[in-house]
Amino acid sequence: GAGVSQSPSNKVTEKGKDVELRCDPISGHTALYWYRQSLGQGLEFLIYFQGNSAPDKSGLPSDRFSAERTGGSVSTLTIQRTQQEDSAVYLCAISLGGRDQPQHFGDGTRLSIL
Amino acid sequence: QKEVEQNSGPLSVPEGAIASLNCTYSDRVSQSFFWYRQYSGKSPELIMSIYSNGDKEDGRFTAQLNKASQYVSLLIRDSQPSDSATYLCALSNSGYALNFGKGTSLLVTP
Repeated sequence: GAGVSQSPSNKVTEKGKDVELRCDPISGHTALYWYRQSLGQGLEFLIYFQGNSAPDKSGLPSDRFSAERTGGSVSTLTIQRTQQEDSAVYLCAISLGGRDQPQHFGDGTRLSIL
Repeated sequence: QKEVEQNSGPLSVPEGAIASLNCTYSDRVSQSFFWYRQYSGKSPELIMSIYSNGDKEDGRFTAQLNKASQYVSLLIRDSQPSDSATYLCALSNSGYALNFGKGTSLLVTP
């Protein structure tokens, strides 16, 4: 939705496996964010990319989580050695950049760790 | 103290009534405020943004901001069953990430 495509829409994997989630935004939106939403919890910020600047990784919960953004466009979020507490909906959001710009969310990836 | 507080609800209003959703926040440097609507199983959808004290109206929606009292509210006039959803309050302060409340569940009954 809202000009940002996420894939896969659903992912089920076994504990200990690595997973890669993809976010593909429309052009022109320089800022890209990853959030996750666990059952009964609010949206939790993970990481932020803005243009060619170093990403803000302050929200990543552990070193098992990493993300990159190639060419200022597509972003991938990688979770290594998945744990059951990683089960959540992972949401990608885009904006035009700046603290006053609203963020628009993709449809999310629902990740289930067995 | 959590940064963004919302009553979890559910808030139940009859069709045609005004629904009033409230949000309080703790960080006085917060500058930008947003309301999102989230249907069950869907991603958040932006409804309103507000940046200065006072009211901002968009169709049936009115956002109200009072920075001195550190609250922001959303009024939905002529509520419809299709407005039944969870409403998320979000704000940005010193960083670029949004801080979200846990949301208020709204139920509009026919």
